[in-house]
Amino acid sequence: QKEVEQNSGPLSVPEGAIASLNCTYSDRGSQSFFWYRQYSGKSPELIMSIYSNGDKEDGRFTAQLNKASQYVSLLIRDSQPSDSATYLCAVNRSGKLIFGQGTELSVKP
Amino acid sequence: GAVVSQHPSRVICKSGTSVKIECRSLDFQATTMFWYRQFPKQSLMLMATSNEGSKATYEQGVEKDKFLINHASLTLSTLTVTSAHPEDSSFYICSPPGVELNTEAFFGQGTRLTVV
Repeated sequence: QKEVEQNSGPLSVPEGAIASLNCTYSDRGSQSFFWYRQYSGKSPELIMSIYSNGDKEDGRFTAQLNKASQYVSLLIRDSQPSDSATYLCAVNRSGKLIFGQGTELSVKP
Repeated sequence: GAVVSQHPSRVICKSGTSVKIECRSLDFQATTMFWYRQFPKQSLMLMATSNEGSKATYEQGVEKDKFLINHASLTLSTLTVTSAHPEDSSFYICSPPGVELNTEAFFGQGTRLTVV
């Protein structure tokens, strides 16, 4: 079992819709969780971090964490074509980031 | 946030040659630096951690004699891919650890290495 698992996609949504990205992790002791966006050929850029159970909202993005289920998700509201990218879920393990394989999101105009 | 400058952004080299990738911290002092590798359509995989003033620590399965990591100063960490082969072609990214355990990481711009 991988430490951090994501569906590779691609996930295709129409412009204006809600995109839902999911991630599960295996280390129950994990405390810090991150969502990164990565455009092709570029380094990842941080979108959201979340440390406590529940929802955290920032603009069109909402991260959700459920430690009991070892599940973290990212919702993107009013999806735009510019949101088309690969979204990486990452978990902090002893100061090191462990990444999922990423979910490719395609927002169709 | 912390600014990290990685160079070169893209390099093509012949099989058997060595390539050095530099990662500089511009506005802070980094005692450690993480080096990641990313193959196409795959996730970032941590290769090693460079440590200023001591040897780098390598993740399981990473050849330390092939991927030489040096942390020469508090602002410079380097990764040298020695005797490169086509299977070493990948995207290499450096990143300092968070200032605190639970802060965000920042990444260098990445280096696209192509070995022909």
